[in-house]
Amino acid sequence: AQKVTQAQTEISVVEKEDVTLDCVYETRDTTYYLFWYKQPPSGELVFLIRRNSFDEQNEISGRYSWNFQKSTSSFNFTITASQVVDSAVYFCALSDQNAGGTSYGKLTFGQGTILTVHP
Amino acid sequence: NAGVTQTPKFRVLKTGQSMTLLCAQDMNHEYMYWYRQDPGMGLRLIHYSVGEGTTAKGEVPDGYNVSRLKKQNFLLGLESAAPSQTSVYFCASSRRKREVVYEQYFGPGTRLTVT
Repeated sequence: AQKVTQAQTEISVVEKEDVTLDCVYETRDTTYYLFWYKQPPSGELVFLIRRNSFDEQNEISGRYSWNFQKSTSSFNFTITASQVVDSAVYFCALSDQNAGGTSYGKLTFGQGTILTVHP
Repeated sequence: NAGVTQTPKFRVLKTGQSMTLLCAQDMNHEYMYWYRQDPGMGLRLIHYSVGEGTTAKGEVPDGYNVSRLKKQNFLLGLESAAPSQTSVYFCASSRRKREVVYEQYFGPGTRLTVT
């Protein structure tokens, strides 16, 4: 069975600090996808990034960066110079891979990390 | 382009009552999903559909039924609501391509309270 663990339940930082959100996953599949979603106080879920298990390159998008380490089954998310608008719940998620290579995109989510950025 | 919409946004039910949640997407996506979100548990998949006329069970299907009569709509039904079904329900949709998993686009959620 697949599993995603976000061990940090809540993180509190002051604006302009860097913060890293941890994500550790378990899967028996050789091909899989990892995702990060943001859920601001308004409640909607916003897609941030998708990563294929064959692509271990780190990615940077503005103040956001992601570190994918297959050897440790981790897909960590770093926000540089955090801002109050980054306050949200962040979810890491893992897709399944059915036998035969077909995936229906079903996601297993972690419990989420509540990030609070104080001014 | 509205994306994924959900109706209603809020609902209060009494134990034993029934209701249907409607999800609609205008992105021509093949795949659609229903999740529930409970505090400290992330999102859990209830049911999903890989195309019009097909549905399948997810992780927590008990007490729910679904139908996908039209490609753009995915309905979630509660036949006899229980307090344990108090939750926030999210619908999502995604593109389909063999061996590729695309991101899911989520609706705004429905907050359901069962008393």
